[in-house]
Amino acid sequence: AQTVTQSQPEMSVQEAETVTLSCTYDTSESNYYLFWYKQPPSRQMILVIRQEAYKQQNATENRFSVNFQKAAKSFSLKISDSQLGDTAMYFCAFRFAGGTSYGKLTFGQGTILTVHP
Amino acid sequence: NAGVTQTPKFQVLKTGQSMTLQCAQDMNHNSMYWYRQDPGMGLRLIYYSASEGTTDKGEVPNGYNVSRLNKREFSLRLESAAPSQTSVYFCASSAGTGRKDTQYFGPGTRLTVL
Repeated sequence: AQTVTQSQPEMSVQEAETVTLSCTYDTSESNYYLFWYKQPPSRQMILVIRQEAYKQQNATENRFSVNFQKAAKSFSLKISDSQLGDTAMYFCAFRFAGGTSYGKLTFGQGTILTVHP
Repeated sequence: NAGVTQTPKFQVLKTGQSMTLQCAQDMNHNSMYWYRQDPGMGLRLIYYSASEGTTDKGEVPNGYNVSRLNKREFSLRLESAAPSQTSVYFCASSAGTGRKDTQYFGPGTRLTVL
């Protein structure tokens, strides 16, 4: 079974600065997807960014980008120009791309990010 | 545009009581999921339904049952609640196919079992 590990329970950053959240995973599969979800205090789960394992290019969504290192099984999230609204719990998640996975996600433990003014 | 809705938002039960958590989606998605979120453990899959008429166990199915009532609705039932089932429950849905399949989550239900 695959596992996802987020080794940073909590992080903090000053507004307008850059922060990187770490995620590692373990799988024997070669075809899969990786995600970062944001959970603000409202509890709503919001997709931040998605990476397909067969793509070498790192995904980018506005201020959010990833550093995907397939050989190292590492998938970190970089938030540039941090904003107060980025304060949330961030989850890294894994999904197999084929077989009978039917979109089942495996989540990491989460990292609480606090952005200070 | 409601997306994924869940009822109730909060619930307190006594040990041994039963209840059903309701979930509905209006995105015409094929697949639906139930997760639980516990502190320090992220979200864990309880049950999922790949398509209408099918359900399968996830990582932590013990103590739960599900029903895919139709394409829109997927309910989670606790027959005899236990304190270990105190958690936040999330329902999610996805198109279920394709490389860009994305799961959309409901707002969650906070359940406390005394």
